[in-house]
Amino acid sequence: NAGVTQTPKFRVLKTGQSMTLLCAQDMNHEYMYWYRQDPGMGLRLIHYSVGEGTTAKGEVPDGYNVSRLKKQNFLLGLESAAPSQTSVYFCASSYGGYTQYFGPGTRLTVL
Amino acid sequence: GQQLNQSPQSMFIQEGEDVSMNCTSSSIFNTWLWYKQDPGEGPVLLIALYKAGELTSNGRLTAQFGITRKDSFLNISASIPSDVGIYFCAGLSGGGADGLTFGKGTHLIIQP
Repeated sequence: NAGVTQTPKFRVLKTGQSMTLLCAQDMNHEYMYWYRQDPGMGLRLIHYSVGEGTTAKGEVPDGYNVSRLKKQNFLLGLESAAPSQTSVYFCASSYGGYTQYFGPGTRLTVL
Repeated sequence: GQQLNQSPQSMFIQEGEDVSMNCTSSSIFNTWLWYKQDPGEGPVLLIALYKAGELTSNGRLTAQFGITRKDSFLNISASIPSDVGIYFCAGLSGGGADGLTFGKGTHLIIQP
């Protein structure tokens, strides 16, 4: 039982490049979330999903897109990366929307 | 959006001391969660609180859900070196679909 896993762990992009972050969970959770963590800012919600095929915007959704084609996977996409998107990205999942379990994070640098 | 004020921002303590940190909000929350984050890792859940007034312990950790539902505190007794890390409070106002609102963290540093 791996819990929540994230791929890749590290990535460096140039401004304007695109990429997709993958989150996978093996706990059969309905709810999945993407957060970003910046120094001194805590974690802020980007997008979330309450079930397969559904997505919704969080607090800081601009510049990101998401998809939940399978219950166990939640993808975060950056279409045209900007330096302001340099951050650590965390995925989380939960069963009933309460206690959330986090992945190990993806450290993204945009030059 | 909603904001959580977490204090202190950092703590420098001696091993064996007790630690206390808290979170306050101008909004009501239905659930309070406390997480710990080690360097290079994701947050790990320590304690979850679901009812106003609830006091819950997990080993040397004790947390309480404030009666007004606008605050919570976390205490760590007899600190040890592995307690070093960043502690986050997080609140949930609805059924969880909207995600958690996080405090900015308390950085705990223990001096031997």
